[in-house]
Amino acid sequence: DIQMTQYPSSVSASVGDRVTITCRASQGISSWLAWYQQKPGKAPKLLIYDVSSLQSGVPSRFSGSGSGAEFTLTISGLQPEDSATYYCQQANSFPRTFGQGTKLEIK
Amino acid sequence: EVQLVETGGGLIQPGGSLRLSCAASGFSVSNNFMHWVRQAPGKGLEWVSVIYSGGGTYYADSVKGRFTISRDNSENMLYLQMNSLRVDDTAVYYCTRDRERRHDAFDVWGQGTMVTVSS
Repeated sequence: DIQMTQYPSSVSASVGDRVTITCRASQGISSWLAWYQQKPGKAPKLLIYDVSSLQSGVPSRFSGSGSGAEFTLTISGLQPEDSATYYCQQANSFPRTFGQGTKLEIK
Repeated sequence: EVQLVETGGGLIQPGGSLRLSCAASGFSVSNNFMHWVRQAPGKGLEWVSVIYSGGGTYYADSVKGRFTISRDNSENMLYLQMNSLRVDDTAVYYCTRDRERRHDAFDVWGQGTMVTVSS
């Protein structure tokens, strides 16, 4: 199974800041990497697929990059509504695996 | 509108069985890779199972031999039959689908249904 390691596990930042979350796969996964946002009591929401493609309706302050086995999610110009937990997920092979999550707090 | 709605969760004793249902609207489950993903209380997301558009299935090791994924194309429904339930199966269960024709990310999610396994 491909292990996905996400860091940091939590981060606190202010409105307007830029935040970067990193996800490392235990082996190369080409471009099969997605990012999700989850707010308490809600289902996850797809933000980015194929490393850097923005899902329809997602604000452009969210961006993704990376290749091979190391990937990043960047949120530029943080907004209060960005407070959530973020997960990466590989779609290279089954079982699909997620990172353990990064909890983002807005100060 | 593309939508998924899960039902069937509840409180069940260890060793018991439960069937979760997921009603799809706005698209056909038969044309998509459909999945179940779960989340234990306060924990992260765990992929559980997939049924391919061709009908093949795949399971996480943690549920293999105990859970069965299926679908009813005529009713546009997805199911998860859960047998020999254990305390560590306690979670919110989400049905979700892969992006159509790309199978690279889960773009539509249900609201989730809570399964509690406890004596």
